[in-house]
Amino acid sequence: KAGVTQTPRYLIKTRGQQVTLSCSPISGHRSVSWYQQTPGQGLQFLFEYFSETQRNKGNFPGRFSGRQFSNSRSEMNVSTLELGDSALYLCASSQGLAGEVWHFGPGTRLTVT
Amino acid sequence: GQQVMQIPQYQHVQEGEDFTTYCNSSTTLSNIQWYKQRPGGHPVFLIQLVKSGEVKKQKRLTFQFGEAKKNSSLHITATQTTDVGTYFCAGSMSGGTSYGKLTFGQGTILTVHP
Repeated sequence: KAGVTQTPRYLIKTRGQQVTLSCSPISGHRSVSWYQQTPGQGLQFLFEYFSETQRNKGNFPGRFSGRQFSNSRSEMNVSTLELGDSALYLCASSQGLAGEVWHFGPGTRLTVT
Repeated sequence: GQQVMQIPQYQHVQEGEDFTTYCNSSTTLSNIQWYKQRPGGHPVFLIQLVKSGEVKKQKRLTFQFGEAKKNSSLHITATQTTDVGTYFCAGSMSGGTSYGKLTFGQGTILTVHP
């Protein structure tokens, strides 16, 4: 099976702009989670989607949003970008059952200037 | 909220030496997962521990889950240069508000000198 894929892999944006990141889960996986990874804060949970419904959300401002489509693909959006949003954004997928293993994609490296 | 502390933050070893990283959770976990992230890469799943007191081995790697399901450790015997990377533990809790959420430790960066 192909792994989790994320596009784009690298992105440079300017403060105030918005950005949309995309994630395609492993075939058959219905759940997608998003994480932000920075050197200072480590890996922080953003949100999780299952069957197009957000089931869980981390402690991030409303500028961070996401959605999931009927084919389980997911997007996350960050509006009004700030310098502190520069990070590696990781998507992970699983079948959606409690206690399951999560498989991570390669991430999107976002730089905000 | 739930916190997972991981130590040490850095570990430098000579090739052939052993390495251990430890995780402690502020709350009882449903399970704990371990990941390895190579420099410039993404977290790659290593193993999941579910049962109290569980011990699992993968070649030179030994993983343990504490009796209280609040702590865990990863031990590497006779490190090799291919072991270089950051090792993360990630705790999962049961319950509806925990879906999809892994709480990661800060990671231990392992450097192996040949």
